[in-house]
Amino acid sequence: DADVTQTPRNRITKTGKRIMLECSQTKGHDRMYWYRQDPGLGLRLIYYSFDVKDINKGEISDGYSVSRQAQAKFSLSLESAIPNQTALYFCATSDPGPANTGELFFGEGSRLTVL
Amino acid sequence: AQRVTQPEKLLSVFKGAPVELKCNYSYSGSPELFWYVQYSRQRLQLLLRHISRESIKGFTADLNKGETSFHLKKPFAQEEDSAMYYCALSGLGAGNMLTFGGGTRLMVKP
Repeated sequence: DADVTQTPRNRITKTGKRIMLECSQTKGHDRMYWYRQDPGLGLRLIYYSFDVKDINKGEISDGYSVSRQAQAKFSLSLESAIPNQTALYFCATSDPGPANTGELFFGEGSRLTVL
Repeated sequence: AQRVTQPEKLLSVFKGAPVELKCNYSYSGSPELFWYVQYSRQRLQLLLRHISRESIKGFTADLNKGETSFHLKKPFAQEEDSAMYYCALSGLGAGNMLTFGGGTRLMVKP
């Protein structure tokens, strides 16, 4: 079954450490996104990519960077983690082709705790 | 700028009661509106889109451009409807980038 997979699912780290969250997908979608979920704030867009050579900042990109290694892989990095980056992070994909319905397909989320 | 507001963080109803989850938006152009749902231990998934004008799991939502609202309704709530619901907006041509509301947790009591 075509899927969106995130690793790690849970991570606890310390302030100042570098962290990478990885996302891979087998849906064959060109568009990939990283969102952050905080209680009461919903999901906020961090970065998005429309293809391998395309990277765009979202609403809250400060403190984050991304890498689109291949169509199927989109990684999110925190160069120097801080406690207010403690959150649940979601990767998502979408299909811009003829079947484009505007729907996003989400991974299961990566819970990051920064102490 | 586009914005989505869900005024209720928690909505608690009894089984069989009607449900309305409120969503208001601000956007200067023609928006596409969505409702996403996250059941316990499941990933976030699309519930319905205003363009489809469909009823999913008994839920419907009507886009009211005059009131800039897209409320989600169900006449008779079921316990399995308990979940986190997010209203989301995509601007026309925005490449599926969704702006989400803060979410409403629906609890349906037996």
